[in-house]
Amino acid sequence: EPEVTQTPSHQVTQMGQEVILRCVPISNHLYFYWYRQILGQKVEFLVSFYNNEISEKSEIFDDQFSVERPDGSNFTLKIRSTKLEDSAMYFCASSTWRGETQYFGPGTRLLVL
Amino acid sequence: TQLLEQSPQFLSIQEGENLTVYCNSSSVFSSLQWYRQEPGEGPVLLVTVVTGGEVKKLKRLTFQFGDARKDSSLHITAAQPGDTGLYLCAGKSGSARQLTFGSGTQLTVLP
Repeated sequence: EPEVTQTPSHQVTQMGQEVILRCVPISNHLYFYWYRQILGQKVEFLVSFYNNEISEKSEIFDDQFSVERPDGSNFTLKIRSTKLEDSAMYFCASSTWRGETQYFGPGTRLLVL
Repeated sequence: TQLLEQSPQFLSIQEGENLTVYCNSSSVFSSLQWYRQEPGEGPVLLVTVVTGGEVKKLKRLTFQFGDARKDSSLHITAAQPGDTGLYLCAGKSGSARQLTFGSGTQLTVLP
């Protein structure tokens, strides 16, 4: 069964460093999403992406964040200058054009020191 | 801001018992999804409900979407230790695609 994959599974970085989190969505899906989950808190929406542009973003998704689909398969989330409070699990998700159901990847655990 | 409240937050039961967890909001959702999440992993989809009053069954799990599409419930019959996990509801409203998640119900089924 097709699934969303994410790399790396874990990332440790120093505050102020740039990180890029990678995702390979399900191949025939058209909408892509990033969510994050701070330890012990709810899953929170960051951004959705369709047709090579951002379609929705939350207040969390400020200028420090960017997304890109550099080729036909990968979908990336870049954090330009990480802060301690960026430490969280970051989940990628994808959905078909109808978008009713989003399928999530296993997540990348980001730890900012 | 749309909120989804899940209850109970924690539930510990014996194997073989039945249970119901609830997901409530004051907002209308166009669809609602239930996920199960294991520690350190991503949410795994269980079901999507779209129509008010809809009932869906997945083996021993029964999902219901409220008539007004503001609430949902998950009922598990004859719970098993393998049902242990964090159950999350997540709703989508209007034309927006972002999901609003509840805080989850942590279920523990004791053998």
